[in-house]
Amino acid sequence: DTGVSQDPRHKITKRGQNVTFRCDPISEHNRLYWYRQTLGQGPEFLTYFQNEAQLEKSRLLSDRFSAERPKGSFSTLEIQRTEQGDSAMYLCASSPSGDLGNQPQHFGDGTRLSIL
Amino acid sequence: AQSVAQPEDQVNVAEGNPLTVKCTYSVSGNPYLFWYVQYPNRGLQFLLKYITGDNLVKGSYGFEAEFNKSQTSFHLKKPSALVSDSALYFCAVRDASSGTYKYIFGTGTRLKVLA
Repeated sequence: DTGVSQDPRHKITKRGQNVTFRCDPISEHNRLYWYRQTLGQGPEFLTYFQNEAQLEKSRLLSDRFSAERPKGSFSTLEIQRTEQGDSAMYLCASSPSGDLGNQPQHFGDGTRLSIL
Repeated sequence: AQSVAQPEDQVNVAEGNPLTVKCTYSVSGNPYLFWYVQYPNRGLQFLLKYITGDNLVKGSYGFEAEFNKSQTSFHLKKPSALVSDSALYFCAVRDASSGTYKYIFGTGTRLKVLA
């Protein structure tokens, strides 16, 4: 069973550096979501895609964050000029778009970002 | 605006006893409700959902949840807890009438099942 795959699993970087994470969804899923999860909190919505179109973006996502899904398959999340507050687990999830969006999301195991 | 509340940070229960993890929600329209479980250093796993129909929904690993529209609640239950049920549980909601596919998650409840 090929689930949602995220790479890398862990990323340690210095403040001010740029980082990029990759998410490979389940192949037949055309919705893809990015979330941020900090310790003791639930996942916070960042953005989602329907195929290659980015349909919604949270106000939490500052100009330093950008996400792409160029061919409607894998997605990347880039954070520029990282700050201490960006330290978190970044989760990717995918779902099929049938039944008007009531399908559950399948989550990857996340990328844990630590800013030194 | 949609929101979810999980009022208990932690629930402790003895193995073999019934368990309840509470969730209340607020949406303008009709809610789509979900429960997920998270183990350490892992992503979330889907347990069950309520979309429409019967208020009592059954899901994975013997879990069930009851949708109560008047109390805007969707509590997770299991008749007999196992030590292996110890994990972090999240309730999530989407407003089906909002035109958005954005999901809001609660802050999570840590379930500890004691042997």
